[in-house]
Amino acid sequence: AQSVSQHNHHVILSEAASLELGCNYSYGGTVNLFWYVQYPGQHLQLLLKYFSGDPLVKGIKGFEAEFIKSKFSFNLRKPSVQWSDTAEYFCAVKGRSGAGSYQLTFGKGTKLSVIP
Amino acid sequence: DAGVIQSPRHEVTEMGQEVTLRCKPISGHDYLFWYRQTMMRGLELLIYFNNNVPIDDSGMPEDRFSAKMPNASFSTLKIQPSEPRDSAVYFCASSTGTGELFFGEGSRLTVL
Repeated sequence: AQSVSQHNHHVILSEAASLELGCNYSYGGTVNLFWYVQYPGQHLQLLLKYFSGDPLVKGIKGFEAEFIKSKFSFNLRKPSVQWSDTAEYFCAVKGRSGAGSYQLTFGKGTKLSVIP
Repeated sequence: DAGVIQSPRHEVTEMGQEVTLRCKPISGHDYLFWYRQTMMRGLELLIYFNNNVPIDDSGMPEDRFSAKMPNASFSTLKIQPSEPRDSAVYFCASSTGTGELFFGEGSRLTVL
């Protein structure tokens, strides 16, 4: 079965610090990869996605993620966080298995708190 | 374009009452998902539809929960009878086949 692991439950950073949130998945085939962000009291919104091509993906608000196939990882990074980045971040993986179930799996999320 | 539209945004009801949550997906999306989010359990997939047909309802907690999608532009999630432990935010999301989900703003349910 497909699974997604986010290593940190809660990360606390000061403004201007660099961010890296880990995401590892288990799936034997080709995948589509996503990071979603949920600001306090809001719904999940897409931050960035990877389907194919350049494994370094740039998203909105200065976020980027790198797909490392050999490590089954899709870590999220931002060089300098802002207070407004305080949110919960979800990694998600969709297996491209063709017919059958949709196979979209979310990680349990990482709460990011940025201290001004 | 309008996004996924959910109603009501907030619902407060008493235990034992029927609750109906509604969702209008993005036009042209052939997948529709219902998720539940709580502090304790996080984000849980309840059920999803493809072309209006329920595909996987293994996440529906019990028989008190039911979901329908009578046409491509409307879905409901019903809880009957409701219980306090059903209090949560219920999200509807729609998608094409890529895995990118577009979420509605959620329905916050409080069962007293």
